[in-house]
Amino acid sequence: GAVVSQHPSRVICKSGTSVKIECRSLDFQATTMFWYRQFPKQSLMLMATSNEGSKATYEQGVEKDKFLINHASLTLSTLTVTSAHPEDSSFYICSAPTSGGAKNIQYFGAGTRLSVL
Amino acid sequence: GDSVTQMEGPVTLSEEAFLTINCTYTATGYPSLFWYVQYPGEGLQLLLKATKADDKGSNKGFEATYRKETTSFHLEKGSVQVSDSAVYFCALRGTGFQKLVFGTGTRLLVSP
Repeated sequence: GAVVSQHPSRVICKSGTSVKIECRSLDFQATTMFWYRQFPKQSLMLMATSNEGSKATYEQGVEKDKFLINHASLTLSTLTVTSAHPEDSSFYICSAPTSGGAKNIQYFGAGTRLSVL
Repeated sequence: GDSVTQMEGPVTLSEEAFLTINCTYTATGYPSLFWYVQYPGEGLQLLLKATKADDKGSNKGFEATYRKETTSFHLEKGSVQVSDSAVYFCALRGTGFQKLVFGTGTRLLVSP
């Protein structure tokens, strides 16, 4: 079946540094990928939609300059948390739909747990 | 806008008990409905889905039926196992869209 690989699975960084998270579709092409943030004991909050070859679409309240998204190819999207602060600590998850239309299924990466000291 | 409402957890059951996790939705048109499962420290995995009214999704002993008249998609399993302990998310995808709208998740704890 379709697989989405997310890397790294866990990262600890100092406040003020930037962190890059990669999301790859391993055996299918994804013109669109989604980035979510999950707070403890809460649901997933959609942050942005990553579009191959064009700018990402951010959800209301998400800082574009804070969370940089680059969809470099049909199998890779990256999320960079710039100048990270402790409040950015969270679980970040990406997903990618396998194809267009009503029958497409979204597959999720295993997530990245970011801890900012 | 579209929304999903799930029962609050945690749901605590003994092994082999019957499980029901309620899910209702609000959406225009004819959304597709999903249940995802998240095991500790992991991402989400698709458990089952239904794309039209009266469809029944099933997988690993779990079932859910798309009920348009009650706008519900309740998750059921006849006999839970300890390994089923996880957080379960109900989600919908609106007609013509790719974005998923998630419920808040329900944590299931199964004890031996």
